[in-house]
Amino acid sequence: DQQVKQNSPSLSVQEGRISILNCDYTNSMFDYFLWYKKYPAEGPTFLISISSIKDKNEDGRFTVFLNKSAKHLSLHIVPSQPGDSAVYFCAASAPRSGGFKTIFGAGTRLFVKA
Amino acid sequence: GAGVSQSPSNKVTEKGKDVELRCDPISGHTALYWYRQSLGQGLEFLIYFQGNSAPDKSGLPSDRFSAERTGGSVSTLTIQRTQQEDSAVYLCASSFSSAGGYGYTFGSGTRLTVV
Repeated sequence: DQQVKQNSPSLSVQEGRISILNCDYTNSMFDYFLWYKKYPAEGPTFLISISSIKDKNEDGRFTVFLNKSAKHLSLHIVPSQPGDSAVYFCAASAPRSGGFKTIFGAGTRLFVKA
Repeated sequence: GAGVSQSPSNKVTEKGKDVELRCDPISGHTALYWYRQSLGQGLEFLIYFQGNSAPDKSGLPSDRFSAERTGGSVSTLTIQRTQQEDSAVYLCASSFSSAGGYGYTFGSGTRLTVV
């Protein structure tokens, strides 16, 4: 049962253009949604998050949009840079046992072409 | 150290042998998580430790897998009688307990290859 789904395994974008990475979820109990970035041979790095009570969060070139009615979120990167080429994981977090448990999607590999 | 440290970084083992993977979380982080990433797959949750609470073991794929966290700090993931399907990158992460929106800090992982 995939609670967090990233249906596009890869995305290719020209440098300077917008990258849009999409994610769908099924569990309405998630209260935070997060994006992580992963380079080869490294662990994932936290990028940006959004609370379930918000619909947008922006941090520099990165903006996350949340559509709760559609159970959908997206990460926009603008302008895209070659260094953004990595695997991006969508994740959703729910409180559990005094902390938080996070479920990850399968990832989308972003290629930014110079 | 400043980050999450995992050892070894690479491990090749023969099918049927036991392996131990180690994770040193960030000092002060009360929550510790193990995930694994098989080739071409996403991150699969394995186990979660939070303070003195009983660990959430719901992601462990079989009873060959176990984990412990000693003194609320270092954690060891043990895989007994390894199988080829256990081959994956095993990732450890830590966080503050209230880190729902702040994310985890991951280590670089242990790449396990069972031959």
